[in-house]
Amino acid sequence: SQTIHQWPATLVQPVGSPLSLECTVEGTSNPNLYWYRQAAGRGLQLLFYSVGIGQISSEVPQNLSASRPQDRQFILSSKKLLLSDSGFYLCAWSASPADNEQFFGPGTRLTVL
Amino acid sequence: LAKTTQPISMDSYEGQEVNITCSHNNIATNDYITWYQQFPSQGPRFIIQGYKTKVTNEVASLFIPADRKSSTLSLPRVSLSDTAVYYCLVGSGGYNKLIFGAGTRLAVHP
Repeated sequence: SQTIHQWPATLVQPVGSPLSLECTVEGTSNPNLYWYRQAAGRGLQLLFYSVGIGQISSEVPQNLSASRPQDRQFILSSKKLLLSDSGFYLCAWSASPADNEQFFGPGTRLTVL
Repeated sequence: LAKTTQPISMDSYEGQEVNITCSHNNIATNDYITWYQQFPSQGPRFIIQGYKTKVTNEVASLFIPADRKSSTLSLPRVSLSDTAVYYCLVGSGGYNKLIFGAGTRLAVHP
């Protein structure tokens, strides 16, 4: 069966510090991968998606970036965090780009102070 | 991508049937209607998806009228553990990018 992992689960970082969140998927090959952010009490905002290694599409201009160095690894990064980067970061995968069923990881709660 | 509108919140009691309606007036011909459930501090979980008429699985039923401009998620005999946020989304293939709105916050009371 497929599983998706995210770490860390919780992170508190000062403004201006770098960020690296990691997501890995097991049990499937060539997944489509997604990074979402959810502010408190709000819906999910799609940040990035990837259909293959090295292929990243950005949905919202911001100080975040994503990379996919391996087939089942997706990394969200920032060089300098802003207060507005606080939120719940979720990684998800789907079997194909046309698939409406996405499987979400446990998430990372990021607080920027 | 079609925009969806659903109630911000709903209240129910254990054992009742809950119907959450979502409107999507600008749904495209190729769009499917998908519902997700999200518990606090967890990622959303896929519940059900449909294109037209009625779809039923072990968790819920989805009713879609002929014009497809709305849909209703039906949860039979809810329990306290059904307290969650429910999202209605519409989308189609081609590097599909799901748009999650604010959802409907369902509270089930004893």
